[in-house]
Amino acid sequence: DTGVSQDPRHKITKRGQNVTFRCDPISEHNRLYWYRQTLGQGPEFLTYFQNEAQLEKSRLLSDRFSAERPKGSFSTLEIQRTEQGDSAMYLCASSPIGTSPTDTQYFGPGTRLTVL
Amino acid sequence: KQEVTQIPAALSVPEGENLVLNCSFTDSAIYNLQWFRQDPGKGLTSLLLIQSSQREQTSGRLNASLDKSSGRSTLYLAASQPGDSATYLCAVSIIQGAQKLVFGQGTRLTINP
Repeated sequence: DTGVSQDPRHKITKRGQNVTFRCDPISEHNRLYWYRQTLGQGPEFLTYFQNEAQLEKSRLLSDRFSAERPKGSFSTLEIQRTEQGDSAMYLCASSPIGTSPTDTQYFGPGTRLTVL
Repeated sequence: KQEVTQIPAALSVPEGENLVLNCSFTDSAIYNLQWFRQDPGKGLTSLLLIQSSQREQTSGRLNASLDKSSGRSTLYLAASQPGDSATYLCAVSIIQGAQKLVFGQGTRLTINP
């Protein structure tokens, strides 16, 4: 098992363009999370999936953001009409179903987005 | 709403010193508390996880304690080394639903040779 992977690692785009990020979780992990981290801050929760169902979304996730997890495997996060305020590190994490208090979230390396 | 605060925001110490990082949270209804390490531009690595029913956990030179009633956790690092330089993040897991993590802003640690 190679852990959580994210693609691309870096993305530079112009304001107004659409971008899409991909996350491949640890195989057989039912839960998948997206977080956003701005410079000098801790990560903030965006949304989470249990299998293919998106069960919770943060108020941070405006209508320009959409996330999917078809077939309960990899996930994509799309940002439409990017703004400079979207510049951040987007982190993906996965975990087992969460029935044990020792279940931890395993994080990917992140996708660094820069909006010019 | 759960809020997590870490003090100090940055810390610089000479190699070999023992040090303590602090974390406080406002709502004691947590599932667990974790300490993570983050190197510049990289993802997060879990260091220690303390279940809500536990008081402390140890791994190598790291020891983390949890006092749920007062909403505090400390991370103790013994015999610091330059390779320990990184940002250390504290996060609590919300007890309901997604068990999402709520993070503090981190402590940026520099160990000087």
